[in-house]
Amino acid sequence: GIQVEQSPPDLILQEGANSTLRCNFSDSVNNLQWFHQNPWGQLINLFYIPSGTKQNGRLSATTVATERYSLLYISSSQTTDSGVYFCAVSGAGSYQLTFGKGTKLSVIP
Amino acid sequence: EAQVTQNPRYLITVTGKKLTVTCSQNMNHEYMSWYRQDPGLGLRQIYYSMNVEVTDKGDVPEGYKVSRKEKRNFPLILESPSPNQTSLYFCASSLYTSGGPYNEQFFGPGTRLTVL
Repeated sequence: GIQVEQSPPDLILQEGANSTLRCNFSDSVNNLQWFHQNPWGQLINLFYIPSGTKQNGRLSATTVATERYSLLYISSSQTTDSGVYFCAVSGAGSYQLTFGKGTKLSVIP
Repeated sequence: EAQVTQNPRYLITVTGKKLTVTCSQNMNHEYMSWYRQDPGLGLRQIYYSMNVEVTDKGDVPEGYKVSRKEKRNFPLILESPSPNQTSLYFCASSLYTSGGPYNEQFFGPGTRLTVL
């Protein structure tokens, strides 16, 4: 099956700093999503982005499908951004969603 | 309010005692799915359903059953739970356009299951 690798596994930021999270995948995808799991365990969909670039406030994401990676940018980080960020993909022709192991982000005041 | 609900939120049970975790969505989504989340392993898909009466295995289906008799409900059944099924379980749903990929997934709040 398709492999998903996220980096870095852990990230500590000072409030106000910017960061880039990376997701590499091993095959062509027809679906790529970024999620945020907050410290209370709730999973929130951030972006549905199988290709191209999207922005939502301080967050933006870019997927370069031909090079098999996606990036999540967080600008002017806030303590509420803390949690785990997951990338999840479906390979072409598949309806299974495979998650990466996530990047744990801690934003300190 | 558009949402995915799961019940119960917390459950402690004993080995071998059949249990069902319910999942319901009010968004008329075709696609529904179950995941388990374990430390160090991330989220892994158990089963998914493309529509009523259409289900398929994910990466870790052993020891689980599902059914999709109604579009809004997708219960997860553990016929004979074992301690290795202790985990955090999530249900999710999304729109699905026939012939194309499904869209963004919406997750329920999670069910924390402990099997003694």
